[in-house]
Amino acid sequence: QQQVKQSPQSLIVQKGGISIINCAYENTAFDYFPWYQQFPGKGPALLIAIRPDVSEKKEGRFTISFNKSAKQFSLHIMDSQPGDSATYFCAASRDYGGATNKLIFGTGTLLAVQP
Amino acid sequence: GAVVSQHPSRVICKSGTSVKIECRSLDFQATTMFWYRQFPKQSLMLMATSNEGSKATYEQGVEKDKFLINHASLTLSTLTVTSAHPEDSSFYICSASDSWGETQYFGPGTRLLVL
Repeated sequence: QQQVKQSPQSLIVQKGGISIINCAYENTAFDYFPWYQQFPGKGPALLIAIRPDVSEKKEGRFTISFNKSAKQFSLHIMDSQPGDSATYFCAASRDYGGATNKLIFGTGTLLAVQP
Repeated sequence: GAVVSQHPSRVICKSGTSVKIECRSLDFQATTMFWYRQFPKQSLMLMATSNEGSKATYEQGVEKDKFLINHASLTLSTLTVTSAHPEDSSFYICSASDSWGETQYFGPGTRLLVL
């Protein structure tokens, strides 16, 4: 119940296309869903995050779509660029009231954007 | 934005020696810090959670006597890998969250190679 399932494992997209990465969870207590971007040899960087009270959040070319009833959320990268080539991780956590909010990570998606 | 640093970025050591990795929050006070390890092409695995001034909480299967964590101040946590062996070679990443506890900001990681 603590797992976050992520797909696809890898993704190849043409420059200018839309990259879509999906995640699903079981634990309905999760209430914070961030996406992280990681380049080789670097630490993950927070891209965008959403809470279950909204169905969509957009920041620039990155959009999170959230389906609470299906317990699924996805990351859409519009107008994908070669510089977006990285590994993307979805994650989920439960609010313990400001205490230790452990992140449960998905397995990651390796995105390659071809020029 | 919140910045987390790690030192060193890379370390090579002989089997049996101990290695200390520092994690610092540069522009905020980190109530909680997390330590992860990541193997090539895999997701992040949480090792332990530490709160300033208290003992770290280790995840199941992580040897607390081997991976010593100290969180002596609101801006510094250290991970010491004691009596390192080749199987401890990995990418170690720390993260820190502020008093709100929701968002984790990751450091750039430390590559450990034990010969």
